[in-house]
Amino acid sequence: KAGVTQTPRYLIKTRGQQVTLSCSPISGHRSVSWYQQTPGQGLQFLFEYFSETQRNKGNFPGRFSGRQFSNSRSEMNVSTLELGDSALYLCASSYFRDRPTGELFFGEGSRLTVL
Amino acid sequence: GENVEQHPSTLSVQEGDSAVIKCTYSDSASNYFPWYKQELGKRPQLIIDIRSNVGEKKDQRIAVTLNKTAKHFSLHITETQPEDSAVYFCAASQDSGYSTLTFGKGTMLLVSP
Repeated sequence: KAGVTQTPRYLIKTRGQQVTLSCSPISGHRSVSWYQQTPGQGLQFLFEYFSETQRNKGNFPGRFSGRQFSNSRSEMNVSTLELGDSALYLCASSYFRDRPTGELFFGEGSRLTVL
Repeated sequence: GENVEQHPSTLSVQEGDSAVIKCTYSDSASNYFPWYKQELGKRPQLIIDIRSNVGEKKDQRIAVTLNKTAKHFSLHITETQPEDSAVYFCAASQDSGYSTLTFGKGTMLLVSP
């Protein structure tokens, strides 16, 4: 079956702009979580959506937001971009229907560069 | 919130040696401890996990041990091979569905032939 798909894979933005990243989970998975990966901080949890509802949120400013659609696809948005937002943004899907998968299935990520 | 510390940040071994990576966590409510491997340019993938009701788990050349009292857990890789070279992340979760993870900062393992 198809894995987790993230688009776009690479993008370059300038400070002050906003960006939207998309994630399509594995078919049947209902949870999508987002992580920011940087060399200095590793993988940091942003938020998790399940059945279109945000269930958990990490310690990131309000400039970071997300949503999930009825088909479980998710988007995250970062407004007023800062240089420090340059990172690899990974999404992961889990929860096959209503049962925990016990594993996060990651996409290949969207690499954002802010100039 | 939960905090996960991981050591060492880099580890170089010779092929055939053993490698050990250690993690500590802060929140006693955490009950699920997975390890992810990320090869260069690839996505993280789960290699092994352990739940708080188990002290040790093995899968071929890899094993994980958990000490709930001391709040630490470790990854052990025996008979290392060059293809084991990657960044390894430990994580902890208290989420009943295990979909929210707090990761350590990673260990870059380099296995030299």
